[in-house]
Amino acid sequence: DAKTTQPNSMESNEEEPVHLPCNHSTISGTDYIHWYRQLPSQGPEYVIHGLTSNVNNRMASLAIAEDRKSSTLILHRATLRDAAVYYCILLNAGGTSYGKLTFGQGTILTVHP
Amino acid sequence: NAGVMQNPRHLVRRRGQEARLRCSPMKGHSHVYWYRQLPEEGLKFMVYLQKENIIDESGMPKERFSAEFPKEGPSILRIQQVVRGDSAAYFCASSPPGRSGANVLTFGAGSRLTVL
Repeated sequence: DAKTTQPNSMESNEEEPVHLPCNHSTISGTDYIHWYRQLPSQGPEYVIHGLTSNVNNRMASLAIAEDRKSSTLILHRATLRDAAVYYCILLNAGGTSYGKLTFGQGTILTVHP
Repeated sequence: NAGVMQNPRHLVRRRGQEARLRCSPMKGHSHVYWYRQLPEEGLKFMVYLQKENIIDESGMPKERFSAEFPKEGPSILRIQQVVRGDSAAYFCASSPPGRSGANVLTFGAGSRLTVL
């Protein structure tokens, strides 16, 4: 599976935008870019995913570079509830990966009041 | 529409006992995944099941661990003769049928196993 690289940690202030980067230079043409987050003492939670075009949903936006070698998860106005570990994961249904998510270390996001 | 239901939420066992963790997937979901998260560590894939079939158990420890997803009822992760190193949070996830890179997994709240 293609790997992703994320910063270990980031900090933000409440109500400010947060841009969480992810590098995936070995991404293949059929890899989807998924973001999940895990709040303290909870199970992982789906945030957003995309293939080539930028995506928006009620939780966040996903900006995908034109060459697809990197992407950025954007939280438009961080709240204290957004403090979590954010995981950027590539998912390809081909081969043996089907729907299996492989979690890396993720980015620990701290939100200050 | 209930999400992925896991029980028990907390389980305490003594060394050598058996632990059984149950997972009911979301309605309409036929794929189940189990993950383990050791204290202060990341999430590790254990096993992927469809109804009555184990598709990928590459992350399962070779001994003492088994999983099933019967035709009726929840998926069960069974740990025999537990040891202290089995203490962890065990998360179950489910997804709809079909193979796609766009598949979204829905996770349960987890079962936290403590081995005394």
